Amino acid sequence: AQSVTQPDIHITVSEGASLELRCNYSYGATPYLFWYVQSPGQGLQLLLKYFSGDTLVQGIKGFEAEFKRSQSSFNLRKPSVHWSDAAEYFCAVAASGGSYIPTFGRGTSLIVHP
Amino acid sequence: NAGVTQTPKFQVLKTGQSMTLQCAQDMNHEYMSWYRQDPGMGLRLIHYSVGAGITDQGEVPNGYNVSRSTTEDFPLRLLSAAPSQTSVYFCASSALAGGTDTQYFGPGTRLTVL
Repeated sequence: AQSVTQPDIHITVSEGASLELRCNYSYGATPYLFWYVQSPGQGLQLLLKYFSGDTLVQGIKGFEAEFKRSQSSFNLRKPSVHWSDAAEYFCAVAASGGSYIPTFGRGTSLIVHP
Repeated sequence: NAGVTQTPKFQVLKTGQSMTLQCAQDMNHEYMSWYRQDPGMGLRLIHYSVGAGITDQGEVPNGYNVSRSTTEDFPLRLLSAAPSQTSVYFCASSALAGGTDTQYFGPGTRLTVL
């Protein structure tokens, strides 16, 4: 079965600084990978996903993520953080081959200082 | 499109009471899921459905029932509420299997069991 780890519970950055949120997964083959964002009091919204092909994936709101098979990682990045990016970020992984069940990480809470 | 709607937004129950959390989607999605979100635990899958009349258990199904009589609706029933079921509940839908496609989440139901 697949698993996913988000090592950082909280991340604090200053507005305008760059951001990297870490995600490591465990799965034998190439997984399907997702990043979702949850604003306070809201449901989750997809930022980006990786299924195959180019390992650098562009998403909404200026986010990108890079799939590194050798490191079993799918880290989320943004070059310049805005105050509105403060939210909870979840990485999710699913087994390739039609899995119905994605596994979510525990989330990373992003705090943005002005 | 309203997307995924959930009612109620908030609910307080006493131990032993039963209730139904409602979920509806207007995107004609075949796949629907229920998750619970607890602090530091991320999202955990309760039950899911791959189409009308077909449901299956997720990671934490005990104490919950579901049915799927129509494509649009996927209610979650708590049979006899317990304090351990205090949580935020999210319904999600997707056109393809949840692990292979973007999931669209409702705004959530915050449930407190006293």
